[in-house]
Amino acid sequence: SQQGEEDPQALSIQEGENATMNCSYKTSINNLQWYRQNSGRGLVHLILIRSNEREKHSGRLRVTLDTSKKSSSLLITASRAADTASYFCATGDAGGTSYGKLTFGQGTILTVHP
Amino acid sequence: KAGVTQTPRYLIKTRGQQVTLSCSPISGHRSVSWYQQTPGQGLQFLFEYFSETQRNKGNFPGRFSGRQFSNSRSEMNVSTLELGDSALYLCASSLQGSLTGELFFGEGSRLTVL
Repeated sequence: SQQGEEDPQALSIQEGENATMNCSYKTSINNLQWYRQNSGRGLVHLILIRSNEREKHSGRLRVTLDTSKKSSSLLITASRAADTASYFCATGDAGGTSYGKLTFGQGTILTVHP
Repeated sequence: KAGVTQTPRYLIKTRGQQVTLSCSPISGHRSVSWYQQTPGQGLQFLFEYFSETQRNKGNFPGRFSGRQFSNSRSEMNVSTLELGDSALYLCASSLQGSLTGELFFGEGSRLTVL
C-alpha cells in the first residue's frame, strides 16, 4: 500500500488564494519531501522536512510535519497560475540506510485560475 | 551545472521487443534511482544504484534490469516488452543516496508499447 497519500486528489483555486495539500503516511520516517510535476515532465524538489522538524518555510511554501499523526501539509501562499501542477509527497522508511525507495503518494492536482 | 539527462525522450516499441534507457546524473552525484510512472499505479520505485552497485530494488519482474557505470551514468533495460510497460520512466540522481536528501529528476523517457 502507498506510504504517502495526498488529499485532496484535486484542488482548483483562483490566483492569489492559498492552497493547502495534505499527506499521510504509515511508517516511521527519516524525512518527508514534497515534489512538483508539471504535466508529463520530471519532478522538481520543493522542500524536505526531517522527522525532528515541525515546520519549514521556503519562499511561498510552508510545510508542517506531525509525526504523532503521521501527516504533513504543504501550504502555497498567494498562488499563481504557474503553480498549476501535480504535487507529491514522498517518504522513505527510517531503516537507517541511505538507499532505497522513496514512496510517492498519488499526488494532488492543483489548478490555479488566472 | 547540467541537470539529469535522460535519453531517449520518447520511444515506441512493440510487444516482445526490448528497450534500453539511459540516464546521465548531475556531475558528482553517485546515486541514481529509477522510477516508473503510470496513471494507474503512480510513481513506483524500480532500483537504486550507488557506486556501480545496486543498493535496493523494487517489486518488478526480472525483465527489468539496470546497471551503473564507473562515471555514474546508468542504464535500465526492459526485455520482452508488454503493453503494461508503457509508462514514463524517470531517473533521479542524488549526492549520497535517495533517502538522505533531495532527488534531482530528469525529464523522463516516455515508452509506448504497441
